[in-house]
Amino acid sequence: GESVGLHLPTLSVQEGDNSIINCAYSNSASDYFIWYKQESGKGPQFIIDIRSNMDKRQGQRVTVLLNKTVKHLSLQIAATQPGDSAVYFCAESYGGYALNFGKGTSLLVTP
Amino acid sequence: DTGVSQDPRHKITKRGQNVTFRCDPISEHNRLYWYRQTLGQGPEFLTYFQNEAQLEKSRLLSDRFSAERPKGSFSTLEIQRTEQGDSAMYLCASSLDSYGGEQFFGPGTRLTVL
Repeated sequence: GESVGLHLPTLSVQEGDNSIINCAYSNSASDYFIWYKQESGKGPQFIIDIRSNMDKRQGQRVTVLLNKTVKHLSLQIAATQPGDSAVYFCAESYGGYALNFGKGTSLLVTP
Repeated sequence: DTGVSQDPRHKITKRGQNVTFRCDPISEHNRLYWYRQTLGQGPEFLTYFQNEAQLEKSRLLSDRFSAERPKGSFSTLEIQRTEQGDSAMYLCASSLDSYGGEQFFGPGTRLTVL
């Protein structure tokens, strides 16, 4: 069936470096994509989203890139901080309702 | 706190018992979602409400699961005759009535079935 997946299960970066988390999706009809951050014992927290009519969107220290040709989504975090350590999920939807989440990437920021 | 709230935060039950969870969405949000998350996995969609109407249900939602949102405000998720495989985090989210809008998640209810 259609699925959303992540290339790397864990990512370790040094404080101050930039982080890139990648995600592949397989449903070419998906028209909405979103990144969430989840800390241990908490619910997912919104980071940034993008619609399929865009290929880039920037927020505060974060950028999401969408490549519909290869069905690839990435999250870039600038100047990574210890507080960025968490599990990051990409999710996609078609029809604007149910989100289909990937497996997650654990980001560890070391001093 | 004006975020999504869920109660209880933790529930331990014996196999075969019934459990009920409550979700209070953000007050102006008329969409409400339930997801289930097991350890090391992303959340999986269970069901979705637009106001009081349950509009979509996942095939994950077996006959033992039922969800309600009687007045279009809070929602309950009941699991009957719990099984060990039901052990998971049950997450509730809400959103505005807009296409593909951001879903705000609650802290979840962690269910352990012994």
